Amino acid sequence: GENVEQHPSTLSVQEGDSAVIKCTYSDSASNYFPWYKQELGKGPQLIIDIRSNVGEKKDQRIAVTLNKTAKHFSLHITETQPEDSAVYFCAAKPMYQFYFGTGTSLTVIP
Amino acid sequence: NAGVTQTPKFQVLKTGQSMTLQCAQDMNHNSMYWYRQDPGMGLRLIYYSASEGTTDKGEVPNGYNVSRLNKREFSLRLESAAPSQTSVYFCASSEGEDYEQYFGPGTRLTVT
Repeated sequence: GENVEQHPSTLSVQEGDSAVIKCTYSDSASNYFPWYKQELGKGPQLIIDIRSNVGEKKDQRIAVTLNKTAKHFSLHITETQPEDSAVYFCAAKPMYQFYFGTGTSLTVIP
Repeated sequence: NAGVTQTPKFQVLKTGQSMTLQCAQDMNHNSMYWYRQDPGMGLRLIYYSASEGTTDKGEVPNGYNVSRLNKREFSLRLESAAPSQTSVYFCASSEGEDYEQYFGPGTRLTVT
């Protein structure tokens, strides 16, 4: 099956700085790459996604880039705020199911 | 509009006991999923139901069974709980297999 690796596992940034989280995947059939944010005690919530026919997608302070040749995709958060503190998961979908990365715990220091 | 609801929120079982985790969605979604989340391992798919009347194994199905009771409800059963099944279980639903998944709040299960 698909293997998704996510780095770093923890990330601390000063408020206002940018944060970047990177994921790699192994199955070239993967064609859908969502990013989820999980706050303590809650279920994951989709924040942005990208499909394989697109190289970049932005939504206000959040952007995702995809490099299909290198099989990696990244989440970029600009102008970070304390409420961005959470665990972020990437995922890849080759056929019928999603495979998730192991998560990045982001802390934004005021 | 409650989205995806799960019951119970917390459960403690003894080894060998059985239980059913309940999940319901009110978004008229076709697909439903059960995941487990363990520290350092992300989310792993246990079973999914692409549409009413169908179920398929995911990455880690051993020790579990599922029932897609109707379009709204998808239950997960542990027939004989083991300590290795201590985890947080999430149910999710989506319009279809290529669409955003909406997650429930989770069930924290401890097996002693």
